[in-house]
Amino acid sequence: DGGITQSPKYLFRKEGQNVTLSCEQNLNHDAMYWYRQDPGQGLRLIYYSQIVNDFQKGDIAEGYSVSREKKESFPLTVTSAQKNPTAFYLCASRQDRGSYSPLHFGNGTRLTVT
Amino acid sequence: AQTVTQSQPEMSVQEAETVTLSCTYDTSESNYYLFWYKQPPSRQMILVIRQEAYKQQNATENRFSVNFQKAAKSFSLKISDSQLGDTAMYFCAFMEYNDMRFGAGTRLTVKP
Repeated sequence: DGGITQSPKYLFRKEGQNVTLSCEQNLNHDAMYWYRQDPGQGLRLIYYSQIVNDFQKGDIAEGYSVSREKKESFPLTVTSAQKNPTAFYLCASRQDRGSYSPLHFGNGTRLTVT
Repeated sequence: AQTVTQSQPEMSVQEAETVTLSCTYDTSESNYYLFWYKQPPSRQMILVIRQEAYKQQNATENRFSVNFQKAAKSFSLKISDSQLGDTAMYFCAFMEYNDMRFGAGTRLTVKP
């Protein structure tokens, strides 16, 4: 079955450490996205990528980095510069054949930094 | 950047009744797309319904329908015959080009 896989489901890190969240899709979608979800704030866009080797910052990109070396993969690194990294992170993808195609989401990664 | 506002943080409805969730947005563009997503306690994001801005006809998907008022920049979701499984967070989303933004969400509880 086609879909988006985020791993791991739960991730724990010590403050000051960088951590990378994995996102893989086998839907052959062109565009991929990372969102952060905090209670009461909905989903906020971190980064998105429309094609391989290209990506754009969203509203809250500071303290995060991404890469898009393969169409199927869009890993997110939460760096030590991110001041409040504990959150629920959602990866999504969509077919970039006109904007009417919706986002398809992974199951998310809950990151806890102590 | 465009903004999406959901003014109802929480709502409740009795099973089998109808409920309407509100959403407004701000944009200077004329061509864009609107979506409603549902997030149950599992936290999986599920597409409920979508609307193209250049289509005047309101979208409908079974018990879910929208009231799209382009001039007022309003995009409300109506759930008819509410079911216990409709209990979830509902997010309104706006997309232009490849940039999709979400509202803060409305927590809907369906009571038996």
